[in-house]
Amino acid sequence: AQSVTQLGSHVSVSEGALVLLRCNYSSSVPPYLFWYVQYPNQGLQLLLKYTSAATLVKGINGFEAEFKKSETSFHLTKPSAHMSDAAEYFCAVRRSNDYKLSFGAGTTVTVRA
Amino acid sequence: EAGVTQFPSHSVIEKGQTVTLRCDPISGHDNLYWYRRVMGKEIKFLLHFVKESKQDESGMPNNRFLAERTGGTYSTLKVQPAELEDSGVYFCASSQPDEKLFFGSGTQLSVL
Repeated sequence: AQSVTQLGSHVSVSEGALVLLRCNYSSSVPPYLFWYVQYPNQGLQLLLKYTSAATLVKGINGFEAEFKKSETSFHLTKPSAHMSDAAEYFCAVRRSNDYKLSFGAGTTVTVRA
Repeated sequence: EAGVTQFPSHSVIEKGQTVTLRCDPISGHDNLYWYRRVMGKEIKFLLHFVKESKQDESGMPNNRFLAERTGGTYSTLKVQPAELEDSGVYFCASSQPDEKLFFGSGTQLSVL
């Protein structure tokens, strides 16, 4: 069984500040891990994914995430928030031999000017 | 290139009525998925098509839900009869084998 826990349903950051979104997973086998973003009135868009290669994964729009097996974490960061980063972010996991994604509950990011 | 298209974007129906959601995947994508997000909760897997065949429907809540994929192209998800707990956002996604998923913007279903 797999599950994902996102700590914090809402995060508010100032423009230019660090964005840190936390994700912890549980998986019975080595997982593939993903971060998706949903902007208002749009579909989910893949930010980045971890598939057992480099543990530090760089994604689009300046985001990156680090896979830490010992902590079962896959936290998402961006050094400097932009107003356009306001969106809902989802962490997801799946087994390497499966297509089903298991999502976290999502974290809504607001960016203050 | 057109993305994944879902119709309608919003649907408001009364309990006991029938609703059909439609998803048009990206052309050429054999894999098609349905997911659902009940308000405030996680996005949950419903089912997975490969072409016109149901590969995995383990996430379908009950037999009031029927998904079809005619000729391996577009897919429909019918809820009959709808219940209050069926309210939520229904997402469709498509992909090539072992490639990333492209999601539609979802159908917001409200059952009153």
